[in-house]
Amino acid sequence: EAGVAQSPRYKIIEKRQSVAFWCNPISGHATLYWYQQILGQGPKLLIQFQNNGVVDDSQLPKDRFSAERLKGVDSTLKIQPAKLEDSAVYLCASSSTLILAASTGELFFGEGSRLTVL
Amino acid sequence: SQQGEEDPQALSIQEGENATMNCSYKTSINNLQWYRQNSGRGLVHLILIRSNEREKHSGRLRVTLDTSKKSSSLLITASRAADTASYFCAPMDTGRRALTFGSGTRLQVQP
Repeated sequence: EAGVAQSPRYKIIEKRQSVAFWCNPISGHATLYWYQQILGQGPKLLIQFQNNGVVDDSQLPKDRFSAERLKGVDSTLKIQPAKLEDSAVYLCASSSTLILAASTGELFFGEGSRLTVL
Repeated sequence: SQQGEEDPQALSIQEGENATMNCSYKTSINNLQWYRQNSGRGLVHLILIRSNEREKHSGRLRVTLDTSKKSSSLLITASRAADTASYFCAPMDTGRRALTFGSGTRLQVQP
């Protein structure tokens, strides 16, 4: 079974430029998550999708971040314009269930996209 | 939203020794999960323990859960250099739809 695919693995940009990250979840997984992980910290949830609908985007900085999952499969996270504090690893994860507490609720993570903003 | 707090923040041991890391949380849970993250990689699910379980084993891993103290521990026996990683706990309360993570425990196993 193929895992969660993410690209690019690394990206270096100047501040105020834009960047986009792509994620393809495990086949059949309806729920997709984007996390931001700053160096030395744990992952922080940015947005959660169920199929092509947004379940939770309360921690997404909407003035500069956007995300979509148009066909309910792969997803794109965009940052425009980037700030220095956006330097982080952006992790995509997927799960087969929406209510994690009601099941085995395991998340499957991709390898992440490391962003450096200069 | 609830997240676990891992303790210690960092742990350094010799290969072959046991490593114990702890997790505390605040509210009632349905289950609690542990994840591992190797440097430069994504998180990998290790084990899930349900609220009605007190102990669970998986290979060299032993997880305990004390709901009265709202705490869990992860024990790695006979550690190997390959166990060097960050470890995160994720307590799951009723209706939770996403995992939240603390800062984790960074384990260094010296060969």
